Amino acid sequence: NAGVTQTPKFRILKIGQSMTLQCTQDMNHNYMYWYRQDPGMGLKLIYYSVGAGITDKGEVPNGYNVSRSTTEDFPLRLELAAPSQTSVYFCASSYPPVGTGARYEQYFGPGTRLTVT
Amino acid sequence: KQEVTQIPAALSVPEGENLVLNCSFTDSAIYNLQWFRQDPGKGLTSLLLIQSSQREQTSGRLNASLDKSSGRSTLYIAASQPGDSATYLCAVSYGGSQGNLIFGKGTKLSVKP
Repeated sequence: NAGVTQTPKFRILKIGQSMTLQCTQDMNHNYMYWYRQDPGMGLKLIYYSVGAGITDKGEVPNGYNVSRSTTEDFPLRLELAAPSQTSVYFCASSYPPVGTGARYEQYFGPGTRLTVT
Repeated sequence: KQEVTQIPAALSVPEGENLVLNCSFTDSAIYNLQWFRQDPGKGLTSLLLIQSSQREQTSGRLNASLDKSSGRSTLYIAASQPGDSATYLCAVSYGGSQGNLIFGKGTKLSVKP
């Protein structure tokens, strides 16, 4: 298993440009998440999905959109990029909690480092 | 508001020393707690996961404890090595329909030879 993969690894955008960050997992996880990490800060949740066709906002969703057409893929779309979106973006996946013994562990991709200038 | 705090923000120790990293969370109704390691410019590596019903988990030189009632967890690293230098992140999950993790800001550890 490759686990969670993200592309690209690095990207520089100009203000107002758009792009899609790709995330794919091959563990057949229902739950997928997008987080952003700003320097010296913990990760904050942007969007999440509990299954194909179902997405919802997290703590910091403004300026982003997501879709989930398959179990494997969860792309994050940035429209009209702004300097405030300069950050490192992490995708993660997990099983939902099933029963009292479920570990519900999250697995993370390597991240995409985005700079908006 | 559900928050996670990690103390200290940075720690420098000589090689061989045993050390403790602290994590506290405001809402004790957690589903589980995870400790991660993050190397500069890299992703997150899961170190240990503790279910809410557990008191501790061990992996090699690492031992994580959980005291849910007081809202605290500690990560104990025995016989530290320079290769342990990294940022350690603590995160809690409250399960439910969202299941996302709430992260602390991390403790940056430097182990000097």
